[in-house]
Amino acid sequence: ETAVFQTPNYHVTQVGNEVSFNCKQTLGHDTMYWYKQDSKKLLKIMFSYNNKQLIVNETVPRRFSPQSSDKAHLNLRIKSVEPEDSAVYLCASSLTGVRDERLFFGHGTKLSVL
Amino acid sequence: GEKVEQHESTLSVREGDSAVINCTYTDTASSYFPWYKQEAGKSLHFVIDIRSNVDRKQSQRLTVLLDKKAKRFSLHITATQPEDSAIYFCAAISGSFNKLTFGAGTRLAVCP
Repeated sequence: ETAVFQTPNYHVTQVGNEVSFNCKQTLGHDTMYWYKQDSKKLLKIMFSYNNKQLIVNETVPRRFSPQSSDKAHLNLRIKSVEPEDSAVYLCASSLTGVRDERLFFGHGTKLSVL
Repeated sequence: GEKVEQHESTLSVREGDSAVINCTYTDTASSYFPWYKQEAGKSLHFVIDIRSNVDRKQSQRLTVLLDKKAKRFSLHITATQPEDSAIYFCAAISGSFNKLTFGAGTRLAVCP
């Protein structure tokens, strides 16, 4: 049963546009994450937020910025998309964010940049 | 940083046979090794994990083995069924945060 909800499911846009993806979890978890899954299915963490505070910020281009209004929501904004941003963006959550915790993933937002 | 290598990119087995997926990691400080499954068109979900204080863990048809000396861990699926067909990702955690480093995935096909 899905408890991490992502919108939209798909988004097609052109180079240079701005896009925003939304994520909401109903599990009452303290920590949320954004992962990028490329066309070869490789998964890389981008950001991690604990109770609205940024705790992990991997080396991602500055055009990516996470936004958290409360611990149940973590959005991702891409200011000026590039072709290499085409991927599936997966949102996840875990109970506290301390190590060794199971992640619960959303269904992903597939971004295509033309 | 941690690197996780997943050795089999694809694996095909007959229904009822066993499947083994192998992973290696680089950071000796890694202590938690989960496995996730991604079925076609669906997201990832957790299947089983192992911590470094044990070398074996079983859950129904799934067994994870951990060899800390060799920095290797593996997922064993017995009596495979068509619904086991999916991409399986191994992962490892090192450091103080819950930051997973994933392997590249193994596409398992269980053929009738």
